[in-house]
Amino acid sequence: DAGITQSPRYKITETGRQVTLMCHQTWSHSYMFWYRQDLGHGLRLIYYSAAADITDKGEVPDGYVVSRSKTENFPLTLESATRSQTSVYFCASSDWGRPYEQYFGPGTRLTVT
Amino acid sequence: GENVEQHPSTLSVQEGDSAVIKCTYSDSASNYFPWYKQELGKRPQLIIDIRSNVGEKKDQRIAVTLNKTAKHFSLHITETQPEDSAVYFCAASISGGSNYKLTFGKGTLLTVNP
Repeated sequence: DAGITQSPRYKITETGRQVTLMCHQTWSHSYMFWYRQDLGHGLRLIYYSAAADITDKGEVPDGYVVSRSKTENFPLTLESATRSQTSVYFCASSDWGRPYEQYFGPGTRLTVT
Repeated sequence: GENVEQHPSTLSVQEGDSAVIKCTYSDSASNYFPWYKQELGKRPQLIIDIRSNVGEKKDQRIAVTLNKTAKHFSLHITETQPEDSAVYFCAASISGGSNYKLTFGKGTLLTVNP
């Protein structure tokens, strides 16, 4: 489990501010994902990436930006945070040979005031 | 896109009883169905999965069944223990090609009462 980490673990920010959530994995997994978890909605995919410099939108991408310049990192940026983006954010990764077996990071609890 | 419905949203059982969680999916092309367990305050973790060429899979006290005709799959936990208390998520995906996204159900909160 130490192979995928997220930082910060907790973040409080104000409406309108830009905030970046970091995700780092040491397994050299090809695929990486960002989910948000909200009560009553389960896990919803925000963005995903098949490899460095390859990203694509998921179910709820509006208001978020991702990049993947290195295989091991997949930061998620909220360009102008809104209260509706208050959530728990999980990063996940999976191996090229078994892309559907996803390993989740510990999560970041983000509060937008 | 794929839609996954999960029932019930909450389930309470006595220790030693069995628990069953059911999911339905909409896309008949889906062929990979994992189940994740999330303990309170922890990350989701894969506990078992099944592919469409298999009707049932068991791992100790956990089993998953799949009915492709009806487009539903279920998680069965036997001899439940307090440590089985968690939120369980089902998911569906189309395995193969470039599609490796998972669509999750909304989760089932399982409480095992000692």
